[in-house]
Amino acid sequence: EVQLQESGPGLVKPSQSLSLTCSVTGYSITSNYWGWIRKFPGNKMEWMGYISYSGSTSYNPSLKSRISITRDTSKNQFFLQLNSVTTEDTATYYCARSTGTWGQGVMVTVSS
Amino acid sequence: DVVLTQTPPTLSATIGQSVSISCRSSQSLLHSNGNTYLHWLLQRPGQSPQLLIYLVSRLESGVPNRFSGSGSGTDFTLKISGVEAEDLGVYYCVQGTHAPLTFGSGTKLEIK
Repeated sequence: EVQLQESGPGLVKPSQSLSLTCSVTGYSITSNYWGWIRKFPGNKMEWMGYISYSGSTSYNPSLKSRISITRDTSKNQFFLQLNSVTTEDTATYYCARSTGTWGQGVMVTVSS
Repeated sequence: DVVLTQTPPTLSATIGQSVSISCRSSQSLLHSNGNTYLHWLLQRPGQSPQLLIYLVSRLESGVPNRFSGSGSGTDFTLKISGVEAEDLGVYYCVQGTHAPLTFGSGTKLEIK
């Protein structure tokens, strides 16, 4: 059974970088697509981007050049980095295999 | 970006009642490969989203068959035939036909 687990700091200061890790068990990240999605306070969901089985990436244009998704296949993990965060990046961040299996999510607050 | 409009925003149902949620897209979701990448998710309180229906009408493994999906082009519907208490939560439609992937605004199902 595939399982995903996010980890990372719950509090980030404005202008700094947000870095999260998604650890995957039960399935190799060299297959399928692996993405990051965030849910803002309220119900709004935003797809941020994905890294594919081959390591190629695709990002939401709304995040412009702030986002980077990378991976470590030896650890079966993939990572999110979001630069120059503001309070508007406060959200619960999820990693997911395509849209089929999601992690539990990690709440990240951007505040000084 | 493709805008998905979900209605109603809130739904109140009694146990055993059948309900429907609508998802309308600002563009046709029929891909040039013949697939329609419209899916439905449920996020129960305190849990991460789970996939219920994929490719408009295909039931995800383990999902009860009281859930069904239908539609084509720009109009899609999720139907729950006989609501149960465990069905409360927020339902989202999500499209993957056009980049970037986008979500509907969510429909909150409450149990009377």
